[in-house]
Amino acid sequence: AQSVAQPEDQVNVAEGNPLTVKCTYSVSGNPYLFWYVQYPNRGLQFLLKYITGDNLVKGSYGFEAEFNKSQTSFHLKKPSALVSDSALYFCAVRDIGTYKYIFGTGTRLKVLA
Amino acid sequence: NAGVTQTPKFRILKIGQSMTLQCTQDMNHNYMYWYRQDPGMGLKLIYYSVGAGITDKGEVPNGYNVSRSTTEDFPLRLELAAPSQTSVYFCASNPGTESSTDTQYFGPGTRLTVL
Repeated sequence: AQSVAQPEDQVNVAEGNPLTVKCTYSVSGNPYLFWYVQYPNRGLQFLLKYITGDNLVKGSYGFEAEFNKSQTSFHLKKPSALVSDSALYFCAVRDIGTYKYIFGTGTRLKVLA
Repeated sequence: NAGVTQTPKFRILKIGQSMTLQCTQDMNHNYMYWYRQDPGMGLKLIYYSVGAGITDKGEVPNGYNVSRSTTEDFPLRLELAAPSQTSVYFCASNPGTESSTDTQYFGPGTRLTVL
């Protein structure tokens, strides 16, 4: 069965510093991986996805993610964090052969001014 | 486009009561989903649908029912509400699973408390 893991409940980073939010996956076959962001009292919003192609995927709001097949990771990154990036971030994988998506438990990012 | 809309935004139920959470999308998406979000647990899939008239169970379907009579609407029915169903419920839609379109669009959520 497909699964994703987000090992950190919370990540704190100073404004202007680079940020990384970690995600590892377990799939059989080629993974379809996603990152979503949730601001307080809102639904989730799509950030980026990896289906195939370049290992470095660029998404919304200056975020990018690096797909690493050997380490089965799909970490979310941003070169310079903003206070407004503070939110809950979810990694997800699509269950191949179905139309179901499996979400991680989420990582709360706090960017400190 | 309004996107994905959900009603109500908040609801308090007593144990044993029933209710329907409404979800509508105006993007003509075939795929629709219901998730529940509990603190520290991420999102759990309750039910999903790949088109009108077709529904299937997700990870946590017990205590819930769905129907999909139209492309636009995907209501979630709670029968005999229990405190364990206290959660935030999100509806989502997806235009397709081709690489160019595979993206979930989420509604704003319904916060349900069962007392």
